[in-house]
Amino acid sequence: DAKTTQPPSMDCAEGRAANLPCNHSTISGNEYVYWYRQIHSQGPQYIIHGLKNNETNEMASLIITEDRKSSTLILPHATLRDTAVYYCIVRAHLSGSARQLTFGSGTQLTVLP
Amino acid sequence: ETGVTQSPTHLIKTRGQQVTLRCSSQSGHNTVSWYQQALGQGPQFIFQYYREEENGRGNFPPRFSGLQFPNYSSELNVNALELDDSALYLCASSSGTQPGYGYTFGSGTRLTVV
Repeated sequence: DAKTTQPPSMDCAEGRAANLPCNHSTISGNEYVYWYRQIHSQGPQYIIHGLKNNETNEMASLIITEDRKSSTLILPHATLRDTAVYYCIVRAHLSGSARQLTFGSGTQLTVLP
Repeated sequence: ETGVTQSPTHLIKTRGQQVTLRCSSQSGHNTVSWYQQALGQGPQFIFQYYREEENGRGNFPPRFSGLQFPNYSSELNVNALELDDSALYLCASSSGTQPGYGYTFGSGTRLTVV
């Protein structure tokens, strides 16, 4: 699985958009970009994933550059409950076999009141 | 739909002892993975069980072992505990046919080795 690079920490004002970047310059054509977050004292929680098109769900939006070497997770209206460590992960879809999630150190997002 | 439950939530053991951690997978999920998360770091993959067989392992020594039962629940066993085994141990369940977004994590077991 491709390696990802994320800033160690970011702050965001409550109610504003939080834009979390991720570099994955060695991503392969069959690898997807996934985002998980981990709120303190909890297990990681799936947020969103995408291959090459921009994706949006009820939690966030994912913008992937045309060359797929980087992506941005957008939380449109951050709340205090969005304070967490956000992990960007790239991996291929392989069903029925051991394809673990490879976590880096992630970005600690702190939403400020 | 129930989520992933892990027990116990906290545990203190002495170096050299053995420990068993338990995980009940989410309803409908037949794959269980275990992760170790040291303080300040991301989770590290230990191994995965699919239909009661280990089908993938990370860079962990053999004293880390596991089981999956017919109801898809799982155990993580660690023998000869070392101080560096102190960590949060996370269990994640998924459907074997689902891609990565199918992983549901439990809240973990905090193991302290003294």
